[in-house]
Amino acid sequence: GQQVMQIPQYQHVQEGEDFTTYCNSSTTLSNIQWYKQRPGGHPVFLIQLVKSGEVKKQKRLTFQFGEAKKNSSLHITATQTTDVGTYFCAGRPFNDYKLSFGAGTTVTVRA
Amino acid sequence: SAVISQKPSRDICQRGTSLTIQCQVDSQVTMMFWYRQQPGQSLTLIATANQGSEATYESGFVIDKFPISRPNLTFSTLTVSNMSPEDSSIYLCSVRTGTSGRALNEQFFGPGTRLTVL
Repeated sequence: GQQVMQIPQYQHVQEGEDFTTYCNSSTTLSNIQWYKQRPGGHPVFLIQLVKSGEVKKQKRLTFQFGEAKKNSSLHITATQTTDVGTYFCAGRPFNDYKLSFGAGTTVTVRA
Repeated sequence: SAVISQKPSRDICQRGTSLTIQCQVDSQVTMMFWYRQQPGQSLTLIATANQGSEATYESGFVIDKFPISRPNLTFSTLTVSNMSPEDSSIYLCSVRTGTSGRALNEQFFGPGTRLTVL
């Protein structure tokens, strides 16, 4: 079946630094979504990418969808303590309504 | 958007018993899902709750263990039957609200039910 791999599993970042989390699918995706889960909370939708090569920005967050629609990345600049949490990518293959979630990248920030 | 409530928020249960988790949405939704998330792990889809018919279960999950009801477009229940300590997890209800565009795919999650089985 379709699998979505996400790395790194953990990211410990100095406040103010940048980091990137990567997501790779074994199959071509119809779209990919990103969610954030704060400690003790539930996943919250951040963004959806649909087009090949698409790039979207939300303030300090930059999301990319690969040309082949099999990989994606989330880049956060100038990390803040509010960025703490686990970031999940979730891919939706063609001809399937279900999302396949990556393992998540858990981000901690040191001041 | 959708606001989802789940009951109970947490419970501690004895081995061999069953627990029914309720999911209530503040508006009619197109799709409802039940996920399991073990501590520090990703989300695993248990099943898609179908309104008025049997749920669609993922590999490794069966109706006898996880019976699901969805009597209407805003409510669903998940029962964890004959529980064992391996069932200790967070159970999350999730919905999609639309039939096109972003609403077709964006999922909203409930706050989760934290289950501990002794």
